[in-house]
Amino acid sequence: GAVVSQHPSRVICKSGTSVKIECRSLDFQATTMFWYRQFPKKSLMLMATSNEGSKATYEQGVEKDKFLINHASLTLSTLTVTSAHPEDSSFYICSARIGTSNYGYTFGSGTRLTVV
Amino acid sequence: GQNIDQPTEMTATEGAIVQINCTYQTSGFNGLFWYQQHAGEAPTFLSYNVLDGLEEKGRFSSFLSRSKGYSYLLLKELQMKDSASYLCAATDSNYQLIWGAGTKLIIKP
Repeated sequence: GAVVSQHPSRVICKSGTSVKIECRSLDFQATTMFWYRQFPKKSLMLMATSNEGSKATYEQGVEKDKFLINHASLTLSTLTVTSAHPEDSSFYICSARIGTSNYGYTFGSGTRLTVV
Repeated sequence: GQNIDQPTEMTATEGAIVQINCTYQTSGFNGLFWYQQHAGEAPTFLSYNVLDGLEEKGRFSSFLSRSKGYSYLLLKELQMKDSASYLCAATDSNYQLIWGAGTKLIIKP
Protein backbone atom coordinates (compact mmCIF):
# COMPACT_ATOMS: atom_id res chain seq x y z
CA GLY A 1 0.00 0.00 0.00
CA ALA A 2 0.82 3.71 0.13
CA VAL A 3 1.99 4.12 -3.44
CA VAL A 4 2.70 7.41 -5.15
CA SER A 5 2.62 7.30 -8.93
CA GLN A 6 4.78 9.93 -10.63
CA HIS A 7 4.65 10.81 -14.32
CA PRO A 8 6.40 11.25 -16.60
CA SER A 9 9.49 9.27 -15.70
CA ARG A 10 11.58 11.03 -18.33
CA VAL A 11 11.00 14.18 -20.32
CA ILE A 12 13.10 16.17 -22.74
CA CYS A 13 11.94 19.66 -23.57
CA LYS A 14 13.21 22.72 -25.37
CA SER A 15 14.37 25.83 -23.56
CA GLY A 16 11.53 28.20 -22.88
CA THR A 17 8.81 25.60 -22.72
CA SER A 18 6.94 24.40 -19.64
CA VAL A 19 6.79 20.90 -18.23
CA LYS A 20 4.23 19.47 -15.83
CA ILE A 21 5.04 16.63 -13.47
CA GLU A 22 2.21 14.78 -11.74
CA CYS A 23 2.18 12.80 -8.55
CA ARG A 24 -0.85 10.77 -7.57
CA SER A 25 -1.39 8.88 -4.36
CA LEU A 26 -3.05 5.66 -5.43
CA ASP A 27 -4.40 4.11 -2.27
CA PHE A 28 -4.25 6.80 0.36
CA GLN A 29 -4.92 10.49 0.78
CA ALA A 30 -1.81 12.62 0.61
CA THR A 31 -2.56 15.66 2.73
CA THR A 32 1.02 16.85 2.37
CA MET A 33 3.29 16.42 -0.63
CA PHE A 34 6.97 17.25 -0.71
CA TRP A 35 8.80 18.13 -3.90
CA TYR A 36 12.53 17.50 -4.19
CA ARG A 37 15.16 17.93 -6.83
CA GLN A 38 18.36 15.98 -6.94
CA PHE A 39 21.51 16.72 -8.93
CA PRO A 40 23.84 13.87 -9.88
CA LYS A 41 25.68 12.42 -6.91
CA LYS A 42 24.00 14.89 -4.58
CA SER A 43 21.36 14.46 -1.94
CA LEU A 44 17.74 15.39 -2.12
CA MET A 45 17.01 19.09 -1.92
CA LEU A 46 13.57 20.05 -0.68
CA MET A 47 12.00 22.58 -3.02
CA ALA A 48 8.57 23.02 -1.52
CA THR A 49 5.89 21.53 0.67
CA SER A 50 2.32 21.53 -0.54
CA ASN A 51 -0.82 20.98 1.47
CA GLU A 52 -4.10 20.12 -0.17
CA GLY A 53 -6.20 23.20 -0.85
CA SER A 54 -3.60 25.77 0.17
CA LYS A 55 -0.58 27.49 -1.29
CA ALA A 56 2.71 25.66 -1.28
CA THR A 57 5.51 26.66 1.05
CA TYR A 58 8.73 27.15 -0.87
CA GLU A 59 12.23 26.73 0.50
CA GLN A 60 14.60 29.64 0.45
CA GLY A 61 16.09 30.20 -2.97
CA VAL A 62 13.37 28.35 -4.87
CA GLU A 63 11.49 30.58 -7.30
CA LYS A 64 7.78 30.09 -6.76
CA ASP A 65 6.92 31.67 -10.11
CA LYS A 66 9.17 29.26 -11.91
CA PHE A 67 8.20 26.10 -10.06
CA LEU A 68 4.43 26.16 -9.81
CA ILE A 69 2.94 23.67 -7.42
CA ASN A 70 -0.71 22.76 -7.30
CA HIS A 71 -2.28 20.43 -4.78
CA ALA A 72 -5.93 20.66 -5.68
CA SER A 73 -7.01 17.31 -4.30
CA LEU A 74 -5.95 14.80 -1.70
CA THR A 75 -4.69 12.45 -4.39
CA LEU A 76 -2.99 14.76 -6.90
CA SER A 77 -0.15 17.25 -6.71
CA THR A 78 1.59 18.77 -9.72
CA LEU A 79 4.85 20.61 -10.28
CA THR A 80 5.13 22.76 -13.38
CA VAL A 81 8.55 23.97 -14.42
CA THR A 82 7.83 27.12 -16.39
CA SER A 83 10.09 28.59 -19.06
CA ALA A 84 12.56 25.80 -18.51
CA HIS A 85 16.27 26.34 -19.03
CA PRO A 86 19.13 23.83 -19.24
CA GLU A 87 20.07 24.53 -15.62
CA ASP A 88 16.66 23.19 -14.61
CA SER A 89 17.70 19.77 -15.87
CA SER A 90 17.56 17.53 -12.83
CA PHE A 91 15.84 14.60 -11.17
CA TYR A 92 12.58 15.68 -9.55
CA ILE A 93 10.96 13.49 -6.91
CA CYS A 94 7.73 13.85 -4.99
CA SER A 95 7.11 12.37 -1.59
CA ALA A 96 4.04 12.06 0.57
CA ARG A 97 3.69 11.56 4.26
CA ILE A 98 1.54 8.55 4.97
CA GLY A 99 -1.36 9.72 7.08
CA THR A 100 -0.41 11.91 9.99
CA SER A 101 2.27 9.70 11.48
CA ASN A 102 5.92 10.55 11.26
CA TYR A 103 6.75 6.98 10.41
CA GLY A 104 6.14 6.83 6.75
CA TYR A 105 7.17 8.81 3.75
CA THR A 106 6.61 7.25 0.37
CA PHE A 107 8.29 8.47 -2.78
CA GLY A 108 7.28 8.74 -6.39
CA SER A 109 9.55 7.07 -8.91
CA GLY A 110 11.06 10.37 -9.99
CA THR A 111 11.15 12.40 -13.20
CA ARG A 112 14.35 12.94 -15.14
CA LEU A 113 14.01 16.35 -16.82
CA THR A 114 16.42 17.32 -19.57
CA VAL A 115 16.14 20.79 -21.05
CA VAL A 116 17.89 21.25 -24.37
CA GLY B 1 22.08 25.17 11.82
CA GLN B 2 20.85 21.74 10.92
CA ASN B 3 23.30 19.28 9.51
CA ILE B 4 23.67 15.63 8.62
CA ASP B 5 27.09 14.07 8.05
CA GLN B 6 27.81 10.74 6.48
CA PRO B 7 30.78 9.42 4.48
CA THR B 8 30.74 10.13 0.77
CA GLU B 9 31.75 6.69 -0.39
CA MET B 10 32.56 3.26 1.01
CA THR B 11 33.78 0.05 -0.54
CA ALA B 12 33.12 -3.46 0.74
CA THR B 13 33.40 -7.04 -0.43
CA GLU B 14 30.52 -9.32 -1.34
CA GLY B 15 29.53 -11.44 1.64
CA ALA B 16 31.09 -9.09 4.16
CA ILE B 17 29.59 -6.62 6.65
CA VAL B 18 29.64 -2.85 6.34
CA GLN B 19 28.61 -0.09 8.73
CA ILE B 20 27.58 3.31 7.43
CA ASN B 21 27.69 6.04 10.05
CA CYS B 22 25.59 9.18 10.26
CA THR B 23 25.79 12.08 12.70
CA TYR B 24 23.10 14.71 12.92
CA GLN B 25 22.42 18.11 14.41
CA THR B 26 18.83 19.25 14.22
CA SER B 27 16.47 21.68 15.90
CA GLY B 28 14.52 19.11 17.85
CA PHE B 29 14.42 15.48 16.83
CA ASN B 30 11.59 13.20 15.85
CA GLY B 31 13.33 10.20 14.43
CA LEU B 32 15.89 9.13 11.87
CA PHE B 33 15.39 7.37 8.56
CA TRP B 34 17.65 5.36 6.33
CA TYR B 35 16.83 5.09 2.65
CA GLN B 36 18.44 3.17 -0.19
CA GLN B 37 18.68 4.80 -3.59
CA HIS B 38 19.87 3.13 -6.76
CA ALA B 39 21.13 5.41 -9.51
CA GLY B 40 18.31 7.07 -11.41
CA GLU B 41 15.65 5.80 -9.04
CA ALA B 42 13.73 7.23 -6.12
CA PRO B 43 14.75 6.38 -2.54
CA THR B 44 13.22 3.35 -0.89
CA PHE B 45 12.60 3.09 2.83
CA LEU B 46 14.92 0.90 4.87
CA SER B 47 14.46 1.82 8.51
CA TYR B 48 13.21 4.29 11.07
CA ASN B 49 14.58 4.80 14.60
CA VAL B 50 13.18 7.14 17.19
CA LEU B 51 14.31 5.38 20.38
CA ASP B 52 17.88 4.49 21.32
CA GLY B 53 19.03 1.07 20.35
CA LEU B 54 19.32 -1.37 17.53
CA GLU B 55 16.51 -2.27 15.13
CA GLU B 56 17.15 -5.42 13.15
CA LYS B 57 15.40 -6.21 9.91
CA GLY B 58 16.84 -9.14 8.03
CA ARG B 59 20.29 -8.35 6.66
CA PHE B 60 19.91 -4.68 7.55
CA SER B 61 20.06 -3.19 11.05
CA SER B 62 19.94 0.40 12.19
CA PHE B 63 21.20 1.89 15.45
CA LEU B 64 20.43 5.18 17.13
CA SER B 65 21.98 7.10 20.00
CA ARG B 66 20.01 10.28 20.63
CA SER B 67 22.44 11.58 23.24
CA LYS B 68 25.30 11.36 20.74
CA GLY B 69 23.34 12.46 17.70
CA TYR B 70 24.55 9.32 15.97
CA SER B 71 23.15 6.51 13.91
CA TYR B 72 24.52 3.72 11.80
CA LEU B 73 23.19 1.34 9.20
CA LEU B 74 24.67 -2.14 9.29
CA LEU B 75 24.48 -4.32 6.22
CA LYS B 76 25.36 -8.02 6.57
CA GLU B 77 26.05 -10.71 3.98
CA LEU B 78 26.56 -8.08 1.33
CA GLN B 79 25.24 -8.79 -2.13
CA MET B 80 26.14 -7.08 -5.38
CA LYS B 81 22.62 -5.63 -5.54
CA ASP B 82 23.36 -3.70 -2.34
CA SER B 83 25.55 -1.36 -4.39
CA ALA B 84 23.64 1.90 -4.05
CA SER B 85 23.59 5.18 -2.21
CA TYR B 86 22.36 5.13 1.37
CA LEU B 87 20.70 8.28 2.62
CA CYS B 88 20.40 9.25 6.26
CA ALA B 89 17.59 11.69 7.09
CA ALA B 90 16.58 13.12 10.45
CA THR B 91 13.27 14.76 11.25
CA ASP B 92 13.36 18.02 13.20
CA SER B 93 10.84 19.50 15.61
CA ASN B 94 8.57 20.41 12.69
CA TYR B 95 8.78 16.87 11.33
CA GLN B 96 10.72 18.18 8.36
CA LEU B 97 13.21 15.75 6.85
CA ILE B 98 16.81 16.91 6.90
CA TRP B 99 18.79 14.87 4.39
CA GLY B 100 22.39 13.79 4.39
CA ALA B 101 24.30 13.84 1.11
CA GLY B 102 24.25 10.06 0.93
CA THR B 103 26.93 7.38 1.08
CA LYS B 104 27.74 5.59 -2.14
CA LEU B 105 28.40 1.96 -1.33
CA ILE B 106 30.47 -0.01 -3.82
CA ILE B 107 30.41 -3.80 -3.50
CA LYS B 108 33.29 -5.74 -5.03
CA PRO B 109 33.23 -9.46 -5.81
